[in-house]
Amino acid sequence: GIQVEQSPPDLILQEGANSTLRCNFSDSVNNLQWFHQNPWGQLINLFYIPSGTKQNGRLSATTVATERYSLLYISSSQTTDSGVYFCAYDKGSNYKLTFGKGTLLTVNP
Amino acid sequence: GAVVSQHPSRVICKSGTSVKIECRSLDFQATTMFWYRQFPKQSLMLMATSNEGSKATYEQGVEKDKFLINHASLTLSTLTVTSAHPEDSSFYICSAREAGVFYGYTFGSGTRLTVV
Repeated sequence: GIQVEQSPPDLILQEGANSTLRCNFSDSVNNLQWFHQNPWGQLINLFYIPSGTKQNGRLSATTVATERYSLLYISSSQTTDSGVYFCAYDKGSNYKLTFGKGTLLTVNP
Repeated sequence: GAVVSQHPSRVICKSGTSVKIECRSLDFQATTMFWYRQFPKQSLMLMATSNEGSKATYEQGVEKDKFLINHASLTLSTLTVTSAHPEDSSFYICSAREAGVFYGYTFGSGTRLTVV
């Protein structure tokens, strides 16, 4: 199967700092997405980004499909950004998501 | 926005008993619901996919007789863990796809199951 590597596995920031999270794939994937899981377990869809760049407030994402990676940028981080960030893709037309192992982000005040 | 309600949020049960977890889409029709399992500090693993009115499709290695899934309506799917064992203790999460919305995934808040 397709290998998904997320880096870094853990990241600790001071509030206000910027960060870049990365997701590498061993092969081409469909319909890449980024999710945030807060410390209580709730998952939120951040971006659907099979290619190109999108921005939503302090967050932006870029996927370079030809090079099989995606980046999630967090600017001016806040404590509420803490949690686990997952990239995920589906295997085709069945909408089943496969998640990476995630990056655990801790933002300290 | 789309909301998925998952209950209970936490449950403790004795070994050998069964536990039912409900996943309900509150303001949209969910043609497909997904059930995931997540161990501490690990990623989400897809267990099964359920479509309204049809049998669930289970991922390889998931015991369909242990994890019973029923998607009886366009707004409700249930996961029943039968004859629970301590190794079934985990965080279970449901997700619903809204009919006609491209890549609209909404997740429930999860259920922490502890089997003692």
